[in-house]
Amino acid sequence: EPEVTQTPSHQVTQMGQEVILRCVPISNHLYFYWYRQILGQKVEFLVSFYNNEISEKSEIFDDQFSVERPDGSNFTLKIRSTKLEDSAMYFCASSGEVYNEQFFGPGTRLTVL
Amino acid sequence: LAKTTQPISMDSYEGQEVNITCSHNNIATNDYITWYQQFPSQGPRFIIQGYKTKVKNEVASLFIPADRKSSTLSLPRVSLSDTAVYYCLVGDMNTGFQKLVFGTGTRLLVSP
Repeated sequence: EPEVTQTPSHQVTQMGQEVILRCVPISNHLYFYWYRQILGQKVEFLVSFYNNEISEKSEIFDDQFSVERPDGSNFTLKIRSTKLEDSAMYFCASSGEVYNEQFFGPGTRLTVL
Repeated sequence: LAKTTQPISMDSYEGQEVNITCSHNNIATNDYITWYQQFPSQGPRFIIQGYKTKVKNEVASLFIPADRKSSTLSLPRVSLSDTAVYYCLVGDMNTGFQKLVFGTGTRLLVSP
């Protein structure tokens, strides 16, 4: 069964450093998303991406965040200058024609020290 | 997006049927009801989706009354591995892809 993969599974970084979280969505999907979940809290939408551009972004997704699909398979989330409050689990998701059926990856746990 | 309300937590025992009800009084005509499941330290996983009446798949059943102001996710004969958080989401599938808005969900604990 096809699945979304994410790397790394755990990333530890110092405050102010840049991090890139990587995702490989399901190959025939066209819609891509990033969500995050701070420990013990809700899953929060960050950004959606379609046809090589951002479709929607939340208030969380400020100028420190960016997304890119550098090739035909990878989808990345970059945080330019991490803050302590960016510590969370980051989930990538993708969907095909059934819009509400989004397939989530296993997540990257980001720890900012 | 219609607001949803569901119990914060539920307890059950192995082998029992579990029904989790979600209220969505302001559901719009084009809205679908979708349920996701999340295990600890994993991403949410789609369980089932419906518009009205009853939907069933290999994992669960979804009951939606005629007024669509609520829905009930039914898990038959739960096992310990069904311990997870279950989210009810409501959204318009006809407007194309869209963000999923998760609430706090229902934390189901299945005991031996």
